[in-house]
Amino acid sequence: SQQGEEDPQALSIQEGENATMNCSYKTSINNLQWYRQNSGRGLVHLILIRSNEREKHSGRLRVTLDTSKKSSSLLITASRAADTASYFCATAGGSQGNLIFGKGTKLSVKP
Amino acid sequence: DAGITQSPRHKVTETGTPVTLRCHQTENHRYMYWYRQDPGHGLRLIHYSYGVKDTDKGEVSDGYSVSRSKTEDFLLTLESATSSQTSVYFCAISESREYNEQFFGPGTRLTVL
Repeated sequence: SQQGEEDPQALSIQEGENATMNCSYKTSINNLQWYRQNSGRGLVHLILIRSNEREKHSGRLRVTLDTSKKSSSLLITASRAADTASYFCATAGGSQGNLIFGKGTKLSVKP
Repeated sequence: DAGITQSPRHKVTETGTPVTLRCHQTENHRYMYWYRQDPGHGLRLIHYSYGVKDTDKGEVSDGYSVSRSKTEDFLLTLESATSSQTSVYFCAISESREYNEQFFGPGTRLTVL
């Protein structure tokens, strides 16, 4: 059962532009995480936001969380060609605390 | 990269044969996970371990078994591989169950003919 759903499924932008990806989920969570996956590679953890936090920054990344709407967004500012990857949100919750991943947003940044 | 390796990295096998994938970590993390990644499905949890000899099922555990006899090794076995198990398999580790920030291995691409 998929908890998170990313939107859009694919996004193509020019270098220097900002990229925004959204994630919606269904049940209560302890935290929400964003991961990046470059083609043919494993996932890399980017940022974690706890359920009692509303916004978090890490370098060019900004994550927001709205628990009332059960949604999160990931903003990448001043994107670079190296940001080209798939981005996944994952929610942590439930009695076992396992992560449930969305299907991802495929970001393409053109030089 | 976190110290996680997976072996083999690629494998082609035939339907009905047993297959074992290995995940090895050097981080001494307590929790280990096996996922499969398929187009249109994202990542789905197969099995996970919360300590040596302690394992539990995930969302898509049918047809898979796991073992963890040492902290550093987590094995995933397909007892009798089927074509529906053609996928990319990822191992992940985490130190804390509270936040469960996970670190992933490079993946194993398995093709079952």
